[in-house]
Amino acid sequence: EAAVTQSPRSKVAVTGGKVTLSCHQTNNHDYMYWYRQDTGHGLRLIHYSYVADSTEKGDIPDGYKASRPSQENFSLILELASLSQTAVYFCASSDAAGGFAEQFFGPGTRLTVL
Amino acid sequence: GDSVTQTEGQVALSEEDFLTIHCNYSASGYPTLFWYVQYPGEGPQLLFRASRDKEKGSSRGFEATYDKGTTSFHLRKASVQESDSAVYYCALSDASSSFSKLVFGQGTSLSVVP
Repeated sequence: EAAVTQSPRSKVAVTGGKVTLSCHQTNNHDYMYWYRQDTGHGLRLIHYSYVADSTEKGDIPDGYKASRPSQENFSLILELASLSQTAVYFCASSDAAGGFAEQFFGPGTRLTVL
Repeated sequence: GDSVTQTEGQVALSEEDFLTIHCNYSASGYPTLFWYVQYPGEGPQLLFRASRDKEKGSSRGFEATYDKGTTSFHLRKASVQESDSAVYYCALSDASSSFSKLVFGQGTSLSVVP
C-alpha cells in the first residue's frame, strides 16, 4: 500500500478562493514536507514540519500556510489562491531531518487556479 | 545558498544508447548528493545517493560518482531502455546546518524510443 497519499489528486480553483491540500503518511515518520513543482524549477520547498502542531517555513512560503494536526497528517492551505500558484504539489516524509535521509513522496496534486 | 544545476532540460535517446545527465552543485560544507527519478503520474523516488568524495552510487544500471574537486555528480547509464523514460532530479542535502533539507536541480526529462 502507498505510504504517502495525497488528496485531492487534481483540483481546479478560482482566483481568491481558499484551497486545502491534504497529505497522509503511514511511514511513522516525524518529518513531513510540502513542495511545488514547476517546469524549469524542479521541486521547491514550501513548508515542513518535524513534530505535530508545529510547522516551519521553507524556501517559498509566501501565499501558503501549513498545518500538522497529527504525526500522520500535513495540510497545505492557500487562503487566497492566485494564478501563479498553478502547479503540481508534492508531499513527502522522512524519518530524519536530512543529511543521508531518504524522502518518500506522494503521487502529487495538480492544482489549476483560474 | 546551496544550489544544484542540471545542464540538460530534455534528452531524447534510442534504446541501447549511452546516457549522461550532468549535475553540478554549489554548497558550503560537505553535502550528501542524491539522484531521484520521477515516472509519469508518480512522485519522485530515490534512485541512489552518495555522501563522500569519490563514492559511487548505483542502482538499476545507473551510476554516479561524487567528485568534490569538480563539484559534480553526473548520472550515467551504458544502455538505456524505453522503461527508463522519466524525469531525473539531482539534489543535495547539507547536514551542517541545524535543519537539513533537499535542494533540487531543475530536472532532466529523458525520453527513450524503441
